[in-house]
Order: sequence, then structure tokens, then C-alpha cells
Amino acid sequence: GQQLNQSPQSMFIQEGEDVSMNCTSSSIFNTWLWYKQDPGEGPVLLIALYKAGELTSNGRLTAQFGITRKDSFLNISASIPSDVGIYFCAGQLNDYKLSFGAGTTVTVRA
Amino acid sequence: EPEVTQTPSHQVTQMGQEVILRCVPISNHLYFYWYRQILGQKVEFLVSFYNNEISEKSEIFDDQFSVERPDGSNFTLKIRSTKLEDSAMYFCASRVAGDVQFFGPGTRLTVL
Repeated sequence: GQQLNQSPQSMFIQEGEDVSMNCTSSSIFNTWLWYKQDPGEGPVLLIALYKAGELTSNGRLTAQFGITRKDSFLNISASIPSDVGIYFCAGQLNDYKLSFGAGTTVTVRA
Repeated sequence: EPEVTQTPSHQVTQMGQEVILRCVPISNHLYFYWYRQILGQKVEFLVSFYNNEISEKSEIFDDQFSVERPDGSNFTLKIRSTKLEDSAMYFCASRVAGDVQFFGPGTRLTVL
């Protein structure tokens, strides 16, 4: 499958901080998706991006589809404790098969 | 809100045994998928299924794996002779035409 590089691998946040993570690929995708996974559960879709350059928000989440179609970022503003979890980017082509990044683990700093 | 369901939530089996993982996709969805996530690693595509046949499969999906839609609601993944390295979370996903995939909560498979 396609290789996606997701960074950072992990991050510690304090409540109220903004959080940013991104994904890059050597090949283009038609759709970029961001999922959140809580322990022992399946990925839950946060945001879907369908057009190069598209900037989409979902509450405190904002994501953008890079104009080269090879990258995407996700921002979380004013983080809260329930934002902890693993965030995955995923790229999708016309066959709808998803290629996932390795994930960004978000933990609350004590 | 409709959701994908999977059973069992956890399956423990002995190496060499057959297992069947079950999924009930969202009722009006026609495209079905299985993914695997080894502990601590990323989610990996296994197979896609539409119109009662496999659309695409990954190199992971070898002859030991098979999928079936035995009736109008279930979608199953069978592993004929499990190996230790088959231990993972297995996720089912489904979608309607032109839309994104929705994932089930997963089945944790432990092969001893």
C-alpha cells in the first residue's frame, strides 16, 4: 500500500493548548481522512477532505487537504482532556481502500 | 445513529484453529472491508468486498483468509489455520457508494 508519514509520533498537551499534527505521502490521494481511536475501540471519523486546498472545520478541529494532494494537517484548538487518544490520518484513492498513517498519540501532561 | 457492529469483542484461540469473525455492516451499505491492526501499529487494509465478491485484497490476505456475506446482514472473515502472528485487532468497515467508510469497534484476536 501507499506509505504515509505521520508526525509527531506522540505529544503531550496541557488543557487549553492548541495541537497540530500532519501527514505526508510520496503519492497523491483523492481524499484525506482523519480518525480518532480510543483504547479498545475502532477508528471514528473526525473530518473528511475531498478537494485539494480544502479547509474544513468540525467544532474545535480544523483540517486541510494540501494543494499538492500529498499532505494534510489536523489542528485541535483549546484542547480538553477527552482529546487524548490516537489520531490517524488516512489517504484514499478511487478504489476507496484506505492507507493509514502510523498515528499520533496525544496524552495529557500532568 | 446506525453503526457497524462486530462480534465477538475478544476471541482467544489456539494456533492452528479456525476462527470466524463476524460483522454486521450498516444496513443500507453495500461496500464492505476488513482491516487489521497489530498491537501498537497502524491499521492495515486486508480486503474489500462488493456485490458478493472480493474487489481487492492485500498481500496479507493469503489463502488462509476468506470472506463471506452469508445472508443479507452479516459479513464474516474466516482464518482457516491461525498463526501466532494473526494476533491483532480486526476491524470491519462499510460504506455506501461515494461516501466514507465507517468502522466497527473491532474484534481482538489472540492466538496462543
